[in-house]
Amino acid sequence: EAEVAQSPRYKITEKSQAVAFWCDPISGHATLYWYRQILGQGPELLVQFQDESVVDDSQLPKDRFSAERLKGVDSTLKIQPAELGDSAMYLCASSPSTDTQYFGPGTRLTVL
Amino acid sequence: QKEVEQDPGPLSVPEGAIVSLNCTYSNSAFQYFMWYRQYSRKGPELLMYTYSSGNKEDGRFTAQVDKSSKYISLFIRDSQPSDSATYLCAMSPNAGGTSYGKLTFGQGTILTVHP
Repeated sequence: EAEVAQSPRYKITEKSQAVAFWCDPISGHATLYWYRQILGQGPELLVQFQDESVVDDSQLPKDRFSAERLKGVDSTLKIQPAELGDSAMYLCASSPSTDTQYFGPGTRLTVL
Repeated sequence: QKEVEQDPGPLSVPEGAIVSLNCTYSNSAFQYFMWYRQYSRKGPELLMYTYSSGNKEDGRFTAQVDKSSKYISLFIRDSQPSDSATYLCAMSPNAGGTSYGKLTFGQGTILTVHP
């Protein structure tokens, strides 16, 4: 069964450093999402791509976060500089349409 | 006030019990309703997907939507220790809007089923 791949699974960094997360969606899924999930809360959407175009990045803190999906397949989410409050699980999801999303295992980020 | 409210629990039940998980919401535009299960340190996995009001059954799981009350439920019959996880409700608005496909999640309910 096809799955969404994410790496790394765990990342520990110091504040003010740069971090990057990678996501490979299920083959053929045109829509890709990045979510942030703080411990004890539900996921919150950061950015949504349709192919290589950003559809919604209204909740992305653009002063420090950036996301790209250059060829409309895999995607990278970057944080620079990381802050203590960025410690969370970063989830990638993909969808063949826009109402059913399949999640990857996530990257757990700890900022010291 | 959050758009979607979910009792975080935790909820602890004996094996074989019927479990009821609930969410309320305030946005009338929500038309698609989902339940996800999330095991510790894993990503959410889709359990149930329903459109508009009504019931949907899948094995031991039943999803119920009452749009008039803005209330959705997930029932688990004959609960098993393997059902122990966090259950997240999620909703998205009707097709055609700019926010179509954007999921809004509840906080998640932590469920433990003990043998």
